[in-house]
Amino acid sequence: SQQGEEDPQALSIQEGENATMNCSYKTSINNLQWYRQNSGRGLVHLILIRSNEREKHSGRLRVTLDTSKKSSSLLITASRAADTASYFCATEHSTLTFGKGTMLLVSP
Amino acid sequence: GAVVSQHPSRVICKSGTSVKIECRSLDFQATTMFWYRQFPKKSLMLMATSNEGSKATYEQGVEKDKFLINHASLTLSTLTVTSAHPEDSSFYICSAKSAADPYQETQYFGPGTRLLVL
Repeated sequence: SQQGEEDPQALSIQEGENATMNCSYKTSINNLQWYRQNSGRGLVHLILIRSNEREKHSGRLRVTLDTSKKSSSLLITASRAADTASYFCATEHSTLTFGKGTMLLVSP
Repeated sequence: GAVVSQHPSRVICKSGTSVKIECRSLDFQATTMFWYRQFPKKSLMLMATSNEGSKATYEQGVEKDKFLINHASLTLSTLTVTSAHPEDSSFYICSAKSAADPYQETQYFGPGTRLLVL
């Protein structure tokens, strides 16, 4: 069954702006991961946050996790046109379950 | 490091034929490999989990006889779509966990294989 659900489904912003994507899930997790996928390509692992962590940073990425609300957010700061891609959250319990993704379009 | 390759990257075949897709971990040994399927603009759906030397574990609704998985070594898993039909057309992606990862948390994804069945 689908675990993660991203919001919004699509996001269009200008270069330099911040992009925030949200993910909600239903059951308990060991960790939550964010991936990026360019059109027709494989997935690139961005960041992993464990269930006992609340926030994590990696370069221009900031991920938060609220296990009480079963939600996570991915913030991309100072976005670039090259950030245009689909972003998926995935929750891990015994297997990795992906959400439907957010399509991000960053215009120059 | 942690590179996963897939071959072929895209394949077009006639209905009724079988297609084999290879997934290789190039610079690490993979304890576990996973096969996912992705329809256009949709999420990845896990099809099966394979461990080297043992039978694959299939997700509910995935036909074992339709999608044959062989994990013959610690660096190679194959997915064979048998008697392919147009509805099998999809993007197939494999991933692998490294035997060296003590937490076994991260999956490394291949670039995907685009299958089109005519």
